[in-house]
Amino acid sequence: QKEVEQNSGPLSVPEGAIASLNCTYSDRVSQSFFWYRQYSGKSPELIMSIYSNGDKEDGRFTAQLNKASQYVSLLIRDSQPSDSATYLCAVNLPSYDYKLSFGAGTTVTVRA
Amino acid sequence: GAGVSQSPSNKVTEKGKDVELRCDPISGHTALYWYRQSLGQGLEFLIYFQGNSAPDKSGLPSDRFSAERTGGSVSTLTIQRTQQEDSAVYLCASSWPGQGIMNTEAFFGQGTRLTVV
Repeated sequence: QKEVEQNSGPLSVPEGAIASLNCTYSDRVSQSFFWYRQYSGKSPELIMSIYSNGDKEDGRFTAQLNKASQYVSLLIRDSQPSDSATYLCAVNLPSYDYKLSFGAGTTVTVRA
Repeated sequence: GAGVSQSPSNKVTEKGKDVELRCDPISGHTALYWYRQSLGQGLEFLIYFQGNSAPDKSGLPSDRFSAERTGGSVSTLTIQRTQQEDSAVYLCASSWPGQGIMNTEAFFGQGTRLTVV
């Protein structure tokens, strides 16, 4: 089982719609979860971090965490063409000296 | 510095030559990562340094790849006898692990684009 798995893409959504991205992880003691956005040809940049069960909202982005199900998601509301990018889920691994493990990423395309 | 700095930004080398890639992490960050990203692909983990712990080298693809971190700060990734399949963007990231079992986020450098001809 991979440490971090993301739903396979690519994901295409119309402008103004909600994009939903999912991520599962294998280490039950993980406590820190991050979503990164990577535009083509650029480095990943952090958009959300979440540490507690429940929802965390930041502008049009909402991160959801369910530690019992080992599941974290990212919702992008009112999707814009500028949201077109690859989104990476990252999870810390306390069992491995707190190494951050990244998923393979989900590519999102927002159609104007 | 304000962020993670990598040098050079671009490197073109001939097949069979050795190359060194440099990463200057954010001051005070004890964790440092190297990743490789081929065109259109995801992040490929290479190596992880955390403080004084033995580095996690589990991602290094062959014994041609090595990395060191001097004084808990600057890191150098060395690729010996480069091959064309080594062509990729090499990304460095650093983080302050945080308190207890919580991590803070990792910050990425701008990457080094390596082309082996």
